[in-house]
Amino acid sequence: DIQMTQSPSSLSASVGDRVIITCQASQDISKSLNWYQQKPGKAPKLLIYDASNLETGVPSRFSGSGSGTDFTFTISSLYPEDIGTYYCQHYDSLPRVTFGPGTKVDIK
Amino acid sequence: QVQLQESGPGLVKPSGTLSLTCAVSGGSISVNNWWSWIRQPPGQGLEWIGEIFHTARTNYNPSLRSRVTISLDKSNNQFSLRLNSVTAADTAVYYCARNRPNSGTMFDIWGQGTMVTVSS
Repeated sequence: DIQMTQSPSSLSASVGDRVIITCQASQDISKSLNWYQQKPGKAPKLLIYDASNLETGVPSRFSGSGSGTDFTFTISSLYPEDIGTYYCQHYDSLPRVTFGPGTKVDIK
Repeated sequence: QVQLQESGPGLVKPSGTLSLTCAVSGGSISVNNWWSWIRQPPGQGLEWIGEIFHTARTNYNPSLRSRVTISLDKSNNQFSLRLNSVTAADTAVYYCARNRPNSGTMFDIWGQGTMVTVSS
């Protein structure tokens, strides 16, 4: 089975800071990687799909990159409303769907 | 705009069966895409349970396959989840979600989630 890891597990940053979250797959997954934001008490929201494509309506300060086993999610300038937990999610054709353990982001 | 709404009992006894329904509004469940169930234990991460296509074809998470059934009710535009032999480990918020059509497996529309507690 493919394992997904995320780092850090949590972070605290100031408004305006650049925030970077990484997601690593245990084997090559090409670009089959999505990113979600989950605010407390709410359902997750799709932000980035297929590693680097910005979902319609999502602010451009969010971006994703990577392929193979190493992926990066970036918030270019942190806003107060960006607090929450961010998950990466892999999929394949078997199908297998695996979420990463999440990265909790809060404001310093 | 498609919307999803979960419903079902919030409390299930150990060894019993968890049954939830996801009502689809603003669109037809019979369109060419998959519909999923995903759960999240309190304070923990997300776990995909399984999915169903409009033809009633299903795929399940191997770790839950022996206990899960997902079914379709086209007449009521909804799909359902049944999880047998539940234990406290099945206590979670259960979400239904739409797999984006004609794409890899990504969940672009979610229900608000419903909390299910397994306890006697």
